[in-house]
Amino acid sequence: DTGVSQNPRHKITKRGQNVTFRCDPISEHNRLYWYRQTLGQGPEFLTYFQNEAQLEKSRLLSDRFSAERPKGSFSTLEIQRTEQGDSAMYLCASSQGTANNEQFFGPGTRLTVL
Amino acid sequence: QKEVEQDPGPLSVPEGAIVSLNCTYSNSAFQYFMWYRQYSRKGPELLMYTYSSGNKEDGRFTAQVDKSSKYISLFIRDSQPSDSATYLCATSISGTYKYIFGTGTRLKVLA
Repeated sequence: DTGVSQNPRHKITKRGQNVTFRCDPISEHNRLYWYRQTLGQGPEFLTYFQNEAQLEKSRLLSDRFSAERPKGSFSTLEIQRTEQGDSAMYLCASSQGTANNEQFFGPGTRLTVL
Repeated sequence: QKEVEQDPGPLSVPEGAIVSLNCTYSNSAFQYFMWYRQYSRKGPELLMYTYSSGNKEDGRFTAQVDKSSKYISLFIRDSQPSDSATYLCATSISGTYKYIFGTGTRLKVLA
């Protein structure tokens, strides 16, 4: 399967703990995006990378959130000192980085903060 | 006011019906328009990606964009129970890369 993959698929954690999610984009795609989706809502943009450079961050991305894409391939999203309000589906998408910006999503990581 | 408005539904139709799903948007700078299908607890799946006003057809799906009215539609012909899902519209501004999504419309196709 050559689609976007995300791990873990589910994460349950206690409030105050740190969590890290991983995204592996489609191999020839150089743009990578993180979105967050809560129940009954559409995905909300968090941040995006072109190769290893993080080019845009939403104001939704508080200081407790950090994303990296160290070699321009996979990316990680870390949430420090989790809060119950962080419970959501975290979605990763990738696109080719040409004029065509079709974004293809992974299956998501569902985070539950107790 | 949200930048992209979408009726959350649910919308229930009988099998074989033509389904019409709609979104309105407020920013005339939006240039790209997408439709995604999302099954429960899964990631969104890209159905249609359009740039210009007018219609784009792919199999049973037709996307329609009316930039003068800031209105986008997705039509599904010969709907099937397997089409039961949430349909998300999304837009983006030329030169930017983030998508702005609607809330999604939940569709149920009854056998």
